[in-house]
Amino acid sequence: AQSVTQLDSQVPVFEEAPVELRCNYSSSVSVYLFWYVQYPNQGLQLLLKYLSGSTLVKGINGFEAEFNKSQTSFHLRKPSVHISDTAEYFCAVSDPPGYALNFGKGTSLLVTP
Amino acid sequence: KAGVTQTPRYLIKTRGQQVTLSCSPISGHRSVSWYQQTPGQGLQFLFEYFSETQRNKGNFPGRFSGRQFSNSRSEMNVSTLELGDSALYLCASSPPGGEYTEAFFGQGTRLTVV
Repeated sequence: AQSVTQLDSQVPVFEEAPVELRCNYSSSVSVYLFWYVQYPNQGLQLLLKYLSGSTLVKGINGFEAEFNKSQTSFHLRKPSVHISDTAEYFCAVSDPPGYALNFGKGTSLLVTP
Repeated sequence: KAGVTQTPRYLIKTRGQQVTLSCSPISGHRSVSWYQQTPGQGLQFLFEYFSETQRNKGNFPGRFSGRQFSNSRSEMNVSTLELGDSALYLCASSPPGGEYTEAFFGQGTRLTVV
């Protein structure tokens, strides 16, 4: 089964600065990839997904991610973060495509003034 | 359109007891999945039901079971609770079509075993 590695457990960043949250998956075979956000005491909300097609995926709240098959990566980016972006972010792969999600351990994004 | 509803939101149980958690998917969704979230293990897949049949199962002991009803509502049961079962249990439903092209999550049930 595919596994997902989120390379940073915590990312502190100042408000209005850019941010990149890194995610690598284990195989270059066909996959579906997702980024979810979790606010305290909440469930998961889908930010964006890659199923096929364009490798640059745009999501909600100004986030985007780039699928890189050769590097088996799916990094999440935002050009300018807000305090309200403080949350836990999870990268996930659907393996096999169309079935259950395997999640990374999560990256805690802390945005400070 | 109502989202995924999980009840109850919070539960406290004693070791050795059993517990049943409930999940109502988004109207029209036929796939329901369950996940366990703990600080140590992160998010782990428990099982998935589609049209009342378990389609996929994670690596959990037999104490964890589930079922899905004809209206797509799902229940998850944990028997003989252990302290390590304390976790946030998340339910997710997926749109018609059967594939996991997008999963919508509920707010979860936080289970504390004492």
